[in-house]
Amino acid sequence: SQTIHQWPATLVQPVGSPLSLECTVEGTSNPNLYWYRQAAGRGLQLLFYSVGIGQISSEVPQNLSASRPQDRQFILSSKKLLLSDSGFYLCAWRLTTWPTAPDTQYFGPGTRLTVL
Amino acid sequence: AQSVAQPEDQVNVAEGNPLTVKCTYSVSGNPYLFWYVQYPNRGLQFLLKYITGDNLVKGSYGFEAEFNKSQTSFHLKKPSALVSDSALYFCAVRATQTGANNLFFGTGTRLTVIP
Repeated sequence: SQTIHQWPATLVQPVGSPLSLECTVEGTSNPNLYWYRQAAGRGLQLLFYSVGIGQISSEVPQNLSASRPQDRQFILSSKKLLLSDSGFYLCAWRLTTWPTAPDTQYFGPGTRLTVL
Repeated sequence: AQSVAQPEDQVNVAEGNPLTVKCTYSVSGNPYLFWYVQYPNRGLQFLLKYITGDNLVKGSYGFEAEFNKSQTSFHLKKPSALVSDSALYFCAVRATQTGANNLFFGTGTRLTVIP
């Protein structure tokens, strides 16, 4: 079975500091990977998605970047955090092998980031 | 373009009563529709989806949803609510115009089941 991990679970960082959040998926190959941000416990904003190693698409211009150095690893980064970067960051994956659940995304446990 | 609307920010229901969480959508072509649930400080959990076939879809934890093409709706239902169903519920539609078949989420409905 597949599992998805995110770390750290919580993070408190000062404004202007760098950021690195990691997401890894086990039990599948060549998944699509996604980073979302959830502000104030409500709607999800898609930040980045990736269809393969080194392939990153950005949905919203911002202070963040993403990388996919390995097939099942997805990293969210920032060189200098802003107060507005605070939120709950969720990683998700999707199978790309038909016919099993071709469109369902499965989410990790999330990282709570507070920028002070 | 695609969009999802969850018209109610908050739904309160008494334990044991039926519950409905509403969702309407707008999408080009055939919709792929999803419901997810989120408990506090947790990731989203997949409940059910409609791709094709029977308009009544059954999912996890006794939830079901009815696809209504004429009303462009996909309401989530459960015959008898439990206190443990209290959570944040998201409706989502698959985007048909991006390379990764991204999901587009509604703003969420907070369900509170009152003992």
